Amino acid sequence: DGGITQSPKYLFRKEGQNVTLSCEQNLNHDAMYWYRQDPGQGLRLIYYSQIVNDFQKGDIAEGYSVSREKKESFPLTVTSAQKNPTAFYLCASTDRGRTNYGYTFGSGTRLTVV
Amino acid sequence: GENVEQHPSTLSVQEGDSAVIKCTYSDSASNYFPWYKQELGKGPQLIIDIRSNVGEKKDQRIAVTLNKTAKHFSLHITETQPEDSAVYFCAASKGGSQGNLIFGKGTKLSVKP
Repeated sequence: DGGITQSPKYLFRKEGQNVTLSCEQNLNHDAMYWYRQDPGQGLRLIYYSQIVNDFQKGDIAEGYSVSREKKESFPLTVTSAQKNPTAFYLCASTDRGRTNYGYTFGSGTRLTVV
Repeated sequence: GENVEQHPSTLSVQEGDSAVIKCTYSDSASNYFPWYKQELGKGPQLIIDIRSNVGEKKDQRIAVTLNKTAKHFSLHITETQPEDSAVYFCAASKGGSQGNLIFGKGTKLSVKP
């Protein structure tokens, strides 16, 4: 079955460490997104990519980095510059060529600073 | 840019009652309006969507209405059940290459048995 897979489900980071969250999709979608969700809060856009080897900053890109070397993959690195990284991270994708512009979301990665 | 306001932020109903969540958008060029349901610890799932050329869409117990003139759209859930308890997000998009979804801040729906 086609879908979008995030790993790991839970991730613990020591202060000063960089960590990378994985997002893989086999839906042949062009665009991919990373969102941050804090408890009881909405979805805040970190980065997005509409095509391989291209990506744009969202509303809260500081302290994060991404790459888009393959259509299927859009990993997110949370750097030590992100002072409050504890949150639930969601990856999403969509196919720009369709008339339906809805997103497919992954199941999320919960990152905790220890 | 587009801004989506969602109300209420929390909603509690008795099982069997109806629930209504409302959203307003600012960009008149928006033409696609999906609704997502997010259960605890999971990613949001698309439950229903509507395009700007349609005023209402229904799928079993859920329906969405759109008023383009007033720039607002609503989610209606009838005969609510405890499993409807979740956070619901509305969103708006202009579609095309610049058509990123803009999300509302969410509504936490609690259905009491």
